[in-house]
Amino acid sequence: AQSVSQHNHHVILSEAASLELGCNYSYGGTVNLFWYVQYPGQHLQLLLKYFSGDPLVKGIKGFEAEFIKSKFSFNLRKPSVQWSDTAEYFCAVNGGSSASKIIFGSGTRLSIRP
Amino acid sequence: GAGVSQSPSNKVTEKGKDVELRCDPISGHTALYWYRQRLGQGLEFLIYFQGNSAPDKSGLPSDRFSAERTGESVSTLTIQRTQQEDSAVYLCASSLFEGGETQYFGPGTRLLVL
Repeated sequence: AQSVSQHNHHVILSEAASLELGCNYSYGGTVNLFWYVQYPGQHLQLLLKYFSGDPLVKGIKGFEAEFIKSKFSFNLRKPSVQWSDTAEYFCAVNGGSSASKIIFGSGTRLSIRP
Repeated sequence: GAGVSQSPSNKVTEKGKDVELRCDPISGHTALYWYRQRLGQGLEFLIYFQGNSAPDKSGLPSDRFSAERTGESVSTLTIQRTQQEDSAVYLCASSLFEGGETQYFGPGTRLLVL
């Protein structure tokens, strides 16, 4: 069965620090990969997604993620975080036998110190 | 409407009672998903609809849980004989098509079973 692992449960950074949130998935076939974000008091919303092509994907608000097939990873990065990036971040994957549903990781809570 | 809406936003019920949660997807979206998010945990897939059919019910935790969708629009998630472990936020999402399409999430229904 597919699974998604986010190893960092809570990350605390100062403003302007660089960010990398880890995401690993278990499925070996063709996959679609997503990062969703939930800002405090708001709905979950899509940050970026990878379907095919360039493995380096640019998203909103300066975020990017790199798909490394050999490592089954899709880590989220941002060179310089802002206080407004405080949120919960979810990695998700779909593909293969689970093509009709998206499996989410347990989430990483990001807290930015002003 | 412009986005996915869910009602009620909050529901407090007594153990053993039945509850019904409603989701209004974005107009024209054929796929609809229900997730559960327990406190401090990730999203747990419950069920997905393509049109009015539910090809994947694999995530429903027990036979106390059921869902239906009518008119390729509104969906209701029913929990019978609620238990305290059912307390969670129930999220609904819709997408234009099934599979790897971007999912748009509603605000969720926060259910508390006393």
